[in-house]
Amino acid sequence: EPEVTQTPSHQVTQMGQEVILRCVPISNHLYFYWYRQILGQKVEFLVSFYNNEISEKSEIFDDQFSVERPDGSNFTLKIRSTKLEDSAMYFCASSGLAGGHETQYFGPGTRLLVL
Amino acid sequence: SQKIEQNSEALNIQEGKTATLTCNYTNYSPAYLQWYRQDPGRGPVFLLLIRENEKEKRKERLKVTFDTTLKQSLFHITASQPADSATYLCVVPTGGGNKLTFGTGTQLKVEL
Repeated sequence: EPEVTQTPSHQVTQMGQEVILRCVPISNHLYFYWYRQILGQKVEFLVSFYNNEISEKSEIFDDQFSVERPDGSNFTLKIRSTKLEDSAMYFCASSGLAGGHETQYFGPGTRLLVL
Repeated sequence: SQKIEQNSEALNIQEGKTATLTCNYTNYSPAYLQWYRQDPGRGPVFLLLIRENEKEKRKERLKVTFDTTLKQSLFHITASQPADSATYLCVVPTGGGNKLTFGTGTQLKVEL
């Protein structure tokens, strides 16, 4: 069964550094998302991406964040100048046209720790 | 804004019993509602989707109901097993529709 994959599984970085989190969505899906989950809290929407542009973003997704689909398979989240409060699990998700795009399929996550 | 309320207290039940988890939403009725499962340190896994014009949906040992009058969904696991132990998340679309809003989840523990 097709899966969303994410790399790395864990990332430790120093405050102020840039990180890039990578995702390979399910191959025939057209909608891509990033969510985050701070330890002990609920999953929160960051951004959705369709047709090579951002379709919706939350208040969390400020100028330090950016997303890109550099080729036909990868979808990345870049965090410039990381802050301590960016420490969280980051989940990539994708959804497709077949059967509607309501159901989003999530990857295993990248655990980001900012020191 | 839409708020999703789930019982934050863990639910402990015996193997073989039926687990019932509750989800209440505060605002407008969503066009559909979903339930996901999340294991510690893992991503959410889709279980079931129920639309606003459906009263009930079943999949194997899982059953979901959707009551737009009460603004509530119930999630049932029958003949529960220790492998069903996880956190169960109630999820609804908000905003433009692509954005999902998650509840805090209810942790279920099935004991032998």
